[in-house]
Amino acid sequence: QVTLKESGPGILQPSQTLSLTCTFSGFSLSTYGMGVGWIRQPSGKGLEWLANIWWDDDKYYNPSLKNRLTISKDTSNNQAFLKITNVDTADTATYYCARIVGTGHVMDAWGQGASVTVSS
Amino acid sequence: DVVLTQTPPTLSATIGQSVSISCRSSQSLLDSDGDTYLNWLLQRPGQSPQLLIYSVSNLESGVPNRFSGSGSETDFTLKISGVEAEDLGVYYCMQATHAPLTFGSGTKLEIK
Repeated sequence: QVTLKESGPGILQPSQTLSLTCTFSGFSLSTYGMGVGWIRQPSGKGLEWLANIWWDDDKYYNPSLKNRLTISKDTSNNQAFLKITNVDTADTATYYCARIVGTGHVMDAWGQGASVTVSS
Repeated sequence: DVVLTQTPPTLSATIGQSVSISCRSSQSLLDSDGDTYLNWLLQRPGQSPQLLIYSVSNLESGVPNRFSGSGSETDFTLKISGVEAEDLGVYYCMQATHAPLTFGSGTKLEIK
């Protein structure tokens, strides 16, 4: 059974760096074709893809936020990470991580989401 | 970026009714490898999104076969043949042919 769980600071102030962790089980990020992606959703709004990291350490970012995003992984501990620098209120959202399989970027398992509020 | 336009934005259905949701892309989603990377997800109230269909028409394991997907190039459809109460929520199409990955704005299915 594949499970993912996001964790984060809950609340942070503008200009700070948001650090998120995705802890997963049921698969390995060292397995060919496996990846983890981050997606966010402001309250009551739609989904926005942020970044993906693959088994071979390939990384892809949404250009609209690319300069602020860093994705990484710790394969031995089954974790993936996302950092967003210089946050502002527009970054307030629920952040999801998802397992991604194959070239079609099929997001076949999602975490429960971590709520993040940026407020002064 | 590829823009995915979903219609209708809201859909109201009775139990047992069949409904369709349209997803139109601003660019062809046919990849150079011959596949078309258009997926459908459902987000039930208060829950995370879940995958229903991938690559236009492939049903994800465990998803009821009342869900089906079709389409090509720029026009895609999700059909629910016989809506059940558990189908309420917001349906999103998502494309992975072109970077960056993008989602449609969603179609909210309400049960009458």
